[in-house]
Amino acid sequence: SQTIHQWPATLVQPVGSPLSLECTVEGTSNPNLYWYRQAAGRGLQLLFYSVGIGQISSEVPQNLSASRPQDRQFILSSKKLLLSDSGFYLCAWSRVTGNTIYFGEGSWLTVV
Amino acid sequence: AQSVTQLGSHVSVSEGALVLLRCNYSSSVPPYLFWYVQYPNQGLQLLLKYTTGATLVKGINGFEAEFKKSETSFHLTKPSAHMSDAAEYFCAVSEGNFNKFYFGSGTKLNVKP
Repeated sequence: SQTIHQWPATLVQPVGSPLSLECTVEGTSNPNLYWYRQAAGRGLQLLFYSVGIGQISSEVPQNLSASRPQDRQFILSSKKLLLSDSGFYLCAWSRVTGNTIYFGEGSWLTVV
Repeated sequence: AQSVTQLGSHVSVSEGALVLLRCNYSSSVPPYLFWYVQYPNQGLQLLLKYTTGATLVKGINGFEAEFKKSETSFHLTKPSAHMSDAAEYFCAVSEGNFNKFYFGSGTKLNVKP
């Protein structure tokens, strides 16, 4: 069976510090990978998606970047965090020919 | 371009009452539609999905939804609410290539005893 893991689960970072959230998928190959952000009262916002190693598409301009160094690894980064980067970040995956998206448990980021 | 609108950010029902959560979508191609549930501080779990075929879709925990193309709707219902149904519910849409999934802003369901 397939599993998705993301870490850390919670993170408190000062403004201006860097960020790295990591996500890995097990039990499948060549998945589509996604990063979403969930801000309070604003639903889920698609930040990045990837259909293969090194292939990243950004949905919105922002202070964040994503990378996919390996087939089943997806990393969300920032060089300098802003207060507005606070939120709940969700990694997700889907099969290339599948029709369902599966989510990790999420990472709470608080920028102080 | 696709979008999802969930009418009502908060819905409150009594235990045993009908649950109705509304979702309308816009899509330039035949859509694939989903409902997910999120419990506090957790990721999202799939409740049900519509891809093709029968327009009335049954999911887990007694939930169902009906795809109505003429109304561009995919409302979620459950005949009798349980306290354990209290959570946030998200409607989502994707196009045929499945590369992108777009979510509504969510509806928080409160179930009163």
